[in-house]
Amino acid sequence: QVQLVQSGAEVKKPGASVKVSCKTSGFTFSNYYIHWVRQAPGQGLEWMGIINPSGGSTDYSQKLQGRVTMTMDASTTTVYVELSSLRSEDTAVYYCARAGWGVLPYFDYWGQGTLVAVSS
Amino acid sequence: QTVVTQEPSLTVSPGGTVTLTCGSSTGPVTSDYYPHWFQQKPGQPPTTLIYSTNNRHSWTPARFSGSLLGGKAALTLSGVQPEDEADYYCLFYFGGAQPWVFGGGTKLTVL
Repeated sequence: QVQLVQSGAEVKKPGASVKVSCKTSGFTFSNYYIHWVRQAPGQGLEWMGIINPSGGSTDYSQKLQGRVTMTMDASTTTVYVELSSLRSEDTAVYYCARAGWGVLPYFDYWGQGTLVAVSS
Repeated sequence: QTVVTQEPSLTVSPGGTVTLTCGSSTGPVTSDYYPHWFQQKPGQPPTTLIYSTNNRHSWTPARFSGSLLGGKAALTLSGVQPEDEADYYCLFYFGGAQPWVFGGGTKLTVL
């Protein structure tokens, strides 16, 4: 079955970086995109970016350009999101989500989420 | 900056019907925006209900349907169940510099 299993919670200081992983299984890794979405406490969902595991191309939210990097490791079918220069506003639950684009684009499965807390 | 707008909150009675909408600051919503709808319950990740306007996943109950209505994307729940109480988010594809944008979410209360 399709699974996206994310790494555990992180606590970081302002100015630091954080790297969250999303281990995938149950499907052909190179055939699907992975999106990253975050949700600040009590707030809505925010799209962060997308990585295409077939080649590693990425597309990022304008808001996070310059601070976000998405990478992948095909040997372990894992994707990563790294956010640098952390500030308190980056405190959020970070989700990975699988997506495809055949005739039509679609999101389907989501990871369980990873809490990143930024605090001095 | 593109803004996607949803009703902040709606209330519906059990067994009733409710329509949630999602508009865009760019103008009328079309199928080229590939509207998606997600449900999120407290403390859980979102689940995908509808993709590309009106397509259900295998796990989406038939009482959920997506459409375009009056220049907006719409999610209609027919025969609402108590377990449908949740936050609902829409998502549009714009391409370009900001490819995907979520709406602010609708808190649906079943009362």
